Amino acid sequence: EIVMTQSPATLSVSPGERATLSCRASRSVSSNLAWYQQKPGQAPRLLIYGASTGATGIPARFSGSGSGTEFTLTISSLQSEDFAVYYCQQYNDWPQTFGGGTKVEIK
Amino acid sequence: QVQLVDSGGGVVQPGRSLRLSCAASGFTFSTYALHWVRQAPGKGLEWVAVISYDGNNKYYADSVRGRFTISRDNSKNTVDLQMNSLIPEDTAVYYCTRTNGNYRGFFDYWGQGTLVTVSS
Repeated sequence: EIVMTQSPATLSVSPGERATLSCRASRSVSSNLAWYQQKPGQAPRLLIYGASTGATGIPARFSGSGSGTEFTLTISSLQSEDFAVYYCQQYNDWPQTFGGGTKVEIK
Repeated sequence: QVQLVDSGGGVVQPGRSLRLSCAASGFTFSTYALHWVRQAPGKGLEWVAVISYDGNNKYYADSVRGRFTISRDNSKNTVDLQMNSLIPEDTAVYYCTRTNGNYRGFFDYWGQGTLVTVSS
């Protein structure tokens, strides 16, 4: 199965700053990659699919890029509600697999 | 609006069984593949099982194959997960989620999750 590796494990950012999260696939997943946000006690929420397409209702400050094996989620200006754990997921190969997550915390 | 409501979790002894259920509303249930994804305490997300839109095809993660069975009732808009021979490693929050048509895809809506604790 494809292994998804996210880095860093924890990212400390001040409100208003830019956050850049990375996700690497053990082999190419084309653009079949999604990003999710999860807050404590809540279900994951879809942010990005197709590597760069924003899901319905997701603020424009969230953007995704990349293809093949290297992907990036960028939050242009962190708001208080953005502090959470972020997961990437590939759906190119079976079984679909998730990365281990990046926790974005307040600096 | 789309809703997935998970239920059935609880505390169960190793070796016993439990049945989870997910009630769906707000969309054409019979056109979506339905999945269960779980999350162990403090850990990441793990895909568990999927059932096709018509219920004819089912696939499982290696970790649960032979012990878990997924099923659906398109007349009631529900999907179930029968979990047998439970082990402590099955302790997790279980989420029902969906993909549009295909077994593979991104998960656009999720249930709120139901906690399963396997402990003696």
